[in-house]
Amino acid sequence: AQKITQTQPGMFVQEKEAVTLDCTYDTSDPSYGLFWYKQPSSGEMIFLIYQGSYDQQNATEGRYSLNFQKARKSANLVISASQLGDSAMYFCAMRENPGNQFYFGTGTSLTVIP
Amino acid sequence: NAGVTQTPKFQVLKTGQSMTLQCAQDMNHEYMSWYRQDPGMGLRLIHYSVGAGITDQGEVPNGYNVSRSTTEDFPLRLLSAAPSQTSVYFCASSQQGVSYNEQFFGPGTRLTVL
Repeated sequence: AQKITQTQPGMFVQEKEAVTLDCTYDTSDPSYGLFWYKQPSSGEMIFLIYQGSYDQQNATEGRYSLNFQKARKSANLVISASQLGDSAMYFCAMRENPGNQFYFGTGTSLTVIP
Repeated sequence: NAGVTQTPKFQVLKTGQSMTLQCAQDMNHEYMSWYRQDPGMGLRLIHYSVGAGITDQGEVPNGYNVSRSTTEDFPLRLLSAAPSQTSVYFCASSQQGVSYNEQFFGPGTRLTVL
């Protein structure tokens, strides 16, 4: 079974609007971490945000927030006030604890329309 | 800190040739890994290491070898290149063991096998 599922291959959003990128995960471990990475067209992988399984509050980093619904095993990335520079691939990932291996989803391509 | 460095950035091989992709990190991270990225498939783990002298296979190890003689270096060897190995290769590193440690990625190597 897939550990990380991203069901939106491509998304479009109007500039200045908010957008939600979906991510569901599968684990039986009680302790795990969830990550989102951004990959612009230049190719590098940029870490955006982290959510721990025991964190009581949703993680936020500037315009990025993580909508963490533990019972539903979802960790959706919310980008507020989209900018043209947000156009990129976005990957959701999970790391179980204890453990080392990261599991990645297949990614969502986001295009911000002016 | 240079972070994670990879060489070369681009490489073209002929079928049957061998080569080594270099990866180094200067953050004293125990965990290092190699991924390949193909369109629509996200990042797939090839091999990983949890410390010098310790390596293990990931999801797609066939056709690749690794070794870890030092904490800093984690080269990936293609033994006999095949067109199916045309891909973008990323090396990554992180602290070992706990889920909140994000992975740091190198800039990637774009490999074409003719």
